[in-house]
Amino acid sequence: DAKTTQPTSMDCAEGRAANLPCNHSTISGNEYVYWYRQIHSQGPQYIIHGLKNNETNEMASLIITEDRKSSTLILPHATLRDTAVYYCIVRVDNAGANNLFFGTGTRLTVIP
Amino acid sequence: DADVTQTPRNRITKTGKRIMLECSQTKGHDRMYWYRQDPGLGLRLIYYSFDVKDINKGEISDGYSVSRQAQAKFSLSLESAIPNQTALYFCATSAAKGELFFGEGSRLTVL
Repeated sequence: DAKTTQPTSMDCAEGRAANLPCNHSTISGNEYVYWYRQIHSQGPQYIIHGLKNNETNEMASLIITEDRKSSTLILPHATLRDTAVYYCIVRVDNAGANNLFFGTGTRLTVIP
Repeated sequence: DADVTQTPRNRITKTGKRIMLECSQTKGHDRMYWYRQDPGLGLRLIYYSFDVKDINKGEISDGYSVSRQAQAKFSLSLESAIPNQTALYFCATSAAKGELFFGEGSRLTVL
């Protein structure tokens, strides 16, 4: 699976949109972009994933560039409970998770 | 009840002791994984299993062993614990496609 590059940390004001970028310039055509987050030392939590098209669910939106070399996770109205480390991962969807690379992610701090 | 349950949640032990961390899941998934997380670092894969008869080493398997007792159970053992195995350990499950589901973690301290 391709590796990803994310900023180490970001701040966001409470109630504003948090936009978390991720570069995955070596992504393959059959690799999906997945986002997880880890609140404090809890188990990572799945947020969203996508292949080519933009995706939205109750937690977030995922915007993938046309060339698929980068993506942005958007939390539309950040709350204090969104303070966490956010991991961007690319993987082939049916190949199991044995080759996932969880880097250090982006530490998002939502400020009151 | 949690879909993925890890026990114990916290454990302090001494160098040389044998430790077992247990994981059980109610998701009905075939695939299970053990990860380790050190402070300020991402997760690293220790072992994974795609079904009851399948066990595979991950990135950092040295010093660890696993047992897949049933579809729902996957345990991690440290035969002779050492201080640099002090870490937060996560079990996870997945279907053939889709996301990982993680347990709440087991914090292990080796003195």
